[in-house]
Amino acid sequence: KNEVEQSPQNLTAQEGEFITINCSYSVGISALHWLQQHPGGGIVSLFMLSSGKKKHGRLIATINIQEKHSSLHITASHPRDSAVYICAVRKGGSEKLVFGKGTKLTVNP
Amino acid sequence: DADVTQTPRNRITKTGKRIMLECSQTKGHDRMYWYRQDPGLGLRLIYYSFDVKDINKGEISDGYSVSRQAQAKFSLSLESAIPNQTALYFCATSSSTGLNEQFFGPGTRLTVL
Repeated sequence: KNEVEQSPQNLTAQEGEFITINCSYSVGISALHWLQQHPGGGIVSLFMLSSGKKKHGRLIATINIQEKHSSLHITASHPRDSAVYICAVRKGGSEKLVFGKGTKLTVNP
Repeated sequence: DADVTQTPRNRITKTGKRIMLECSQTKGHDRMYWYRQDPGLGLRLIYYSFDVKDINKGEISDGYSVSRQAQAKFSLSLESAIPNQTALYFCATSSSTGLNEQFFGPGTRLTVL
């Protein structure tokens, strides 16, 4: 079983919808990273968080350490949000990241 | 200019050839990483370096070697390329302070025929 599981694997939405992508992990962590990979391939860091909630524009990331779960929310989704969203965790005592396999989001106009 | 750059961006080569992928960063970070990405497998760590004199193997280092020429430069070599090394390769950097947020280069698409 993978240490980091994302759901759903694929998600299709209409423009304007509220999007939620989930990440569950089975190990103790010191931080969790949300990344965005556009169809061209480049990877952009969205958030790094160790507790609570962070917000940047229309993106919100939350983490519940006790439940070993994080969510990435996109409000008022737009076609330009279409990308693969990757969750990665930094295991406690390690400086390395363990990556989920990603959630492919398609937002239709 | 991008903070993390990779060259080349695309490369097609033949089995048995030696290939070097280069990564440079202007973020002033001490830590650098090389990953490969394959469809359905996610990102996997090849090698990482926490400073110029520190090189460590990741989970899939066989068939690869690295060189940390300076704090800002980290190169990945395939001594004798094979077709199953066809993948998208990413360099990343992070600081030793804070949460170790990693910043990625644009990727190199490598095809080994």
